[in-house]
Amino acid sequence: KQEVTQIPAALSVPEGENLVLNCSFTDSAIYNLQWFRQDPGKGLTSLLLIQSSQREQTSGRLNASLDKSSGRSTLYIAASQPGDSATYLCAAQNTGNQFYFGTGTSLTVIP
Amino acid sequence: ETGVTQSPTHLIKTRGQQVTLRCSSQSGHNTVSWYQQALGQGPQFIFQYYREEENGRGNVPPRFSGLQFPNYSSELNVNALELDDSALYLCASSKEPTGNEQFFGPGTRLTVL
Repeated sequence: KQEVTQIPAALSVPEGENLVLNCSFTDSAIYNLQWFRQDPGKGLTSLLLIQSSQREQTSGRLNASLDKSSGRSTLYIAASQPGDSATYLCAAQNTGNQFYFGTGTSLTVIP
Repeated sequence: ETGVTQSPTHLIKTRGQQVTLRCSSQSGHNTVSWYQQALGQGPQFIFQYYREEENGRGNVPPRFSGLQFPNYSSELNVNALELDDSALYLCASSKEPTGNEQFFGPGTRLTVL
């Protein structure tokens, strides 16, 4: 069974700092990996989807990488802003069609 | 393009009751997946529906069941509610079951007393 881990569980940075969120998974036979943000009590907003054949995806200040062989993905956020404060979740899709989620990293960007 | 919608937003039930949650998929999407998210946890997969058939199920008891309709909207039904069923229930739609981006609705907050 796929297990997804996100470290750290919480992160606090000053505004303007670049930061990296980590996601690791135990089963490398994934179809894709998706990053989301979740604001308190709300649904998930899709940030980036990386297919298993890709190494990275970029959207604005966000860059996600995928290394299947080592079972790792990172989400890089450049020039962080207070509006980036949220919980960031990664999810890996395996056979069986389900996505396996980590427990998230709670990010606080201090003005 | 209309996004994924869910109803109701909040719901309070008592133990032993039954509940139905509803999800409308995004236009052009034929796949709906349901997740349960307890406080402070990541979402846990319940099941997926693809073209009106169940297409994958997580480790959930049989009291959790679902439906998908010809317009690809979906329902999640939970019988004999237990206190531990209190959670945020999320649905996500995608163009196909595998290898596609998932788009989530705002969720239904279920409280079981």
